[in-house]
Amino acid sequence: DTGVSQDPRHKITKRGQNVTFRCDPISEHNRLYWYRQTLGQGPEFLTYFQNEAQLEKSRLLSDRFSAERPKGSFSTLEIQRTEQGDSAMYLCASSFLLTGGGSQETQYFGPGTRLLVL
Amino acid sequence: AQKITQTQPGMFVQEKEAVTLDCTYDTSDQSYGLFWYKQPSSGEMIFLIYQGSYDEQNATEGRYSLNFQKARKSANLVISASQLGDSAMYFCAMRFNFGNEKLTFGTGTRLTIIP
Repeated sequence: DTGVSQDPRHKITKRGQNVTFRCDPISEHNRLYWYRQTLGQGPEFLTYFQNEAQLEKSRLLSDRFSAERPKGSFSTLEIQRTEQGDSAMYLCASSFLLTGGGSQETQYFGPGTRLLVL
Repeated sequence: AQKITQTQPGMFVQEKEAVTLDCTYDTSDQSYGLFWYKQPSSGEMIFLIYQGSYDEQNATEGRYSLNFQKARKSANLVISASQLGDSAMYFCAMRFNFGNEKLTFGTGTRLTIIP
């Protein structure tokens, strides 16, 4: 069983450019999450999907950010017109929603994509 | 406000000693879940242990145990017999209720194991 994978692992871009990150969740997981982590902080929630439906978006997710999960499998996170403040680690996580809900739904994280905006 | 607090920015512990990492939380919800993750320098968040708010016994996973004190709203992680490979950032996280799916993280504790 492979874990969550993310691509690329590192991205350096110039301010104003668009970037896109990809996340492949654990194969049987139906929920997928994006978080952002800045230096010295814990991860902060951005958005999550259940299958292909985007069910919640954080206020952190400005209009320049868009996320998709078109077939309920992999997901992409795009940042348009990047700013220096977008420099961070972008973490993807996945989990399996138990039928009827579950008290323990553990999110498993990928290795992250480190973004540096110059 | 719902919040996770980790008051120890850094800790140094001698190898083979036990270590306790503190975590307190603030919520008025009755149903919630508490998680601990380890983040090595490579960046990946590794799940360690989970405690549900209604679980009567403290969770254990190998060398990890969670000292859950509900009345004090604390969920401290205990690592027994520490190893050099335990050196990492440790984050406490919470799902504040089970209709709210996101995790809220504390600011983390950097643990360094000294040989």
